[in-house]
Amino acid sequence: DAGVIQSPRHEVTEMGQEVTLRCKPISGHNSLFWYRQTMMRGLELLIYFNNNVPIDDSGMPEDRFSAKMPNASFSTLKIQPSEPRDSAVYFCASSLFPASGEGDTQYFGPGTRLTVL
Amino acid sequence: AQTVTQSQPEMSVQEAETVTLSCTYDTSESDYYLFWYKQPPSRQMILVIRQEAYKQQNATENRFSVNFQKAAKSFSLKISDSQLGDAAMYFCASSGNQFYFGTGTSLTVIP
Repeated sequence: DAGVIQSPRHEVTEMGQEVTLRCKPISGHNSLFWYRQTMMRGLELLIYFNNNVPIDDSGMPEDRFSAKMPNASFSTLKIQPSEPRDSAVYFCASSLFPASGEGDTQYFGPGTRLTVL
Repeated sequence: AQTVTQSQPEMSVQEAETVTLSCTYDTSESDYYLFWYKQPPSRQMILVIRQEAYKQQNATENRFSVNFQKAAKSFSLKISDSQLGDAAMYFCASSGNQFYFGTGTSLTVIP
């Protein structure tokens, strides 16, 4: 299994530009999570989907952030317009819910390091 | 709501020695799981070990084991025979209705 795939791995952009992060979950997993990690705030859950439906987006910081999951094998996190304070590592994770015996273990992608200048 | 607390921001251990990382949690769920994840400098979040709350037996994965005290809501990670590759940030997490992460413990392994 290829694991969770994220692209790009690194993104450098200028303030005001649109940024799109992509995620392909593990095949067969039906829950997908987007996290943001910074030194100041640690690991924050932004949004999660179950069966392609957004369940909880209370962690999405502002209207500038949006996430979609058009099908079971693809999700995007978009920031428009981007700001320097959005600089962080963004992780995508997937799991099988309800718990399959693995306790809905989350498997993480390698992350996307976003730098907004 | 669930909370996960890691009270040790940093820990260090001599190579080949044993170290224990602490974690406490609070949950109203009756059915939940507990996890330890490792995040090395590569940033990849790697599952280290998983414990099912309804099982009394402590989980073990090679050099990694947990001390699960359900009544005390404590879930510590013991790393035996520490290796240089164990140096990383370690996150404790719980899942029930949702997944909750602690703030992490940075482990340094001294050669």
